[in-house]
Parts: sequence; structure tokens; C-alpha cells
Amino acid sequence: QVQLQESGPGLVKPSQTLSLTCNVSGDSISSGGHYWNWIRQHPEKGLEWIGNMYYSGGANTDYNPSLKSRITISVDTSKNQFSLRVTSVTAADTAIYYCTRDGGYWGQGTLVTVSS
Amino acid sequence: DIVLTQTPLSSPVTLGQPASISCRSSQSLVHSDGNTYLNWLHQRPGQPPRLLIYQISNRFSGVPDRFSGSGAETDFTLKISRVEAEDVGVYYCMQATQFPTFGQGTKLEIK
Repeated sequence: QVQLQESGPGLVKPSQTLSLTCNVSGDSISSGGHYWNWIRQHPEKGLEWIGNMYYSGGANTDYNPSLKSRITISVDTSKNQFSLRVTSVTAADTAIYYCTRDGGYWGQGTLVTVSS
Repeated sequence: DIVLTQTPLSSPVTLGQPASISCRSSQSLVHSDGNTYLNWLHQRPGQPPRLLIYQISNRFSGVPDRFSGSGAETDFTLKISRVEAEDVGVYYCMQATQFPTFGQGTKLEIK
């Protein structure tokens, strides 16, 4: 069964970089055929797609245009995990961050709070 | 960006009765490959969303057959034939024809 688990610091200071990792089990990212996404949910609010990665001999990424200048999604196939970096964070980046496979399989989510 | 508008935003339903949620898109969701990437998600409090329906009408693995999806182009509907207590929560439509966007959510609650 496919399982995803997010990890990373729960508190980040304003202007710093948020880094999260999604560990995947039950599937191999390097096998290809799937979109590996990061999605976030602001407190008591709706869902926002951050970006995704499609692995086909290498990582191909696509980002939400509104976040593109601050986002990097990368992959480590040796560890079967993919990562998210968000630079220059502000309070508006406070959210639950989810990693998903194609939208069908979701991690439990990790709350990231941006505060000094 | 494609904007998805859901109605109603809140839906009180009696157990055992049907429920219906509408999702309207600001533009056609037919992709250049011919598919329509309109999905429905359900989120219970404190839980991540889970996929119910993909590509308009296909139930995801393990989803009960009381859930069904229909529609085309810009207008889509999720129907629950007989609401059960475990169906409470927020329902989202989501499109992936262009970069993914979500509806604002419909809260289903029991009367």
C-alpha cells in the first residue's frame, strides 16, 4: 500500500527557508508514471496546490505561478523521497503541508508555522 | 487560473437522504488529450483530504458506490445516494486540466 509521510520543522522564522521532505513507501518514485505533489491548507481555509514533480529519467517539475519564484521541488531517488523548499517565508506561508501521489494518496500533513 | 465555484457552501442533510454538490468551472475542463481532469475530495475534521472521484465519474479504490460523479465541460455534480454519518466533513472539487485549483469547499453536516 502506498504511504507518504511528511517531515520537517514545525516552526520557521520569517524571511527564512522552509524545508520539508516526503518519504514514500509502497511505491518507487523512480519507476515513473505518477505526479508527486505538494499541497497546502491554510488554517481553517481551503486547499492550494504548490507544485509537483514527475520522474521520467530525471525530475520534471511544475509550480503554482503565484509561488514559482520561491519554490523548489527536488527528489532523492536513493531514499525514495521528494522535498519542498520555500524561500523568504512570511506568516502567509503558515499552513498544513501535504504531499500526495496524483491526489489519490496523501500524507497526514505537517503543520508549519511561520513566526519569530 | 481556473476558478471552481461550489454550491451550496453548506448542506444540512438527514441521514439516509440524498445529497448533491455542484461545481462550476470558469472554463472548460476538457484537456487537449480529451480527458476531463475533475476530481472530488472529502475531508473529515483533522484528517487529510481523500480522493473520492477522479475524471468526473470514476470512483477511487475503496470508495462506496453511494458516491457518484457526473457532468461535462464546466458543470459537474457529486451525488451521495444515501448519506451516512461518516460522510460529514468538507467536500472539494479539484481540477487538474491546467495547474491544479480547488473549489472553496462544501460542508456537509447532519440535521
